[in-house]
Amino acid sequence: EDQVTQSPEALRLQEGESSSLNCSYTVSGLRGLFWYRQDPGKGPEFLFTLYSAGEEKEKERLKATLTKKESFLHITAPKPEDSATYLCAVITQGGSEKLVFGKGTKLTVNP
Amino acid sequence: NAGVTQTPKFRILKIGQSMTLQCTQDMNHNYMYWYRQDPGMGLKLIYYSVGAGITDKGEVPNGYNVSRSTTEDFPLRLELAAPSQTSVYFCASRGGQLGNIQYFGAGTRLSVL
Repeated sequence: EDQVTQSPEALRLQEGESSSLNCSYTVSGLRGLFWYRQDPGKGPEFLFTLYSAGEEKEKERLKATLTKKESFLHITAPKPEDSATYLCAVITQGGSEKLVFGKGTKLTVNP
Repeated sequence: NAGVTQTPKFRILKIGQSMTLQCTQDMNHNYMYWYRQDPGMGLKLIYYSVGAGITDKGEVPNGYNVSRSTTEDFPLRLELAAPSQTSVYFCASRGGQLGNIQYFGAGTRLSVL
């Protein structure tokens, strides 16, 4: 069974304190890994897609990386507006293109 | 560009009542999905559709039904609502290319009492 595990479940940072979120996956064949941001009361908002080990993508203070077993979302010098739940999801091999989601990491950045 | 629109935003149902959650997208996407999100849990796939007239079950389909008569609309039907269906429901859509991004609506928060 395909599984996605995110850690930690919750993370509190001070403004400017860099850190990383982890997404480990066990899938039959990875076709793509997605990172989403979700604010309270809203739907997930797309951040990044990674397709192969070694790939990296950046957007403002966020950088996503991918290995054969896990992905990291690095947050550099976070600001309070980066507070949100970050979701990781994978597309596995097979024709249905279904996403398997992790439970998310709730990030709180204090001023 | 509206993207994915869900209605209603909130709803309270009594046990045994039925209702339809509406989802429409204006991006001409073939693929559409329904998820539920419970506190502390990841999004779970209920049903999905690869095009008008074609639907299939996801991970947690029991107690729900769907139809897809047009490309734009993908309603989710709850029959005989139960407290276990209290959740936040999200609709998503994506284009046909491999690995395309799924775009989500704002969600419907449903309570069954």
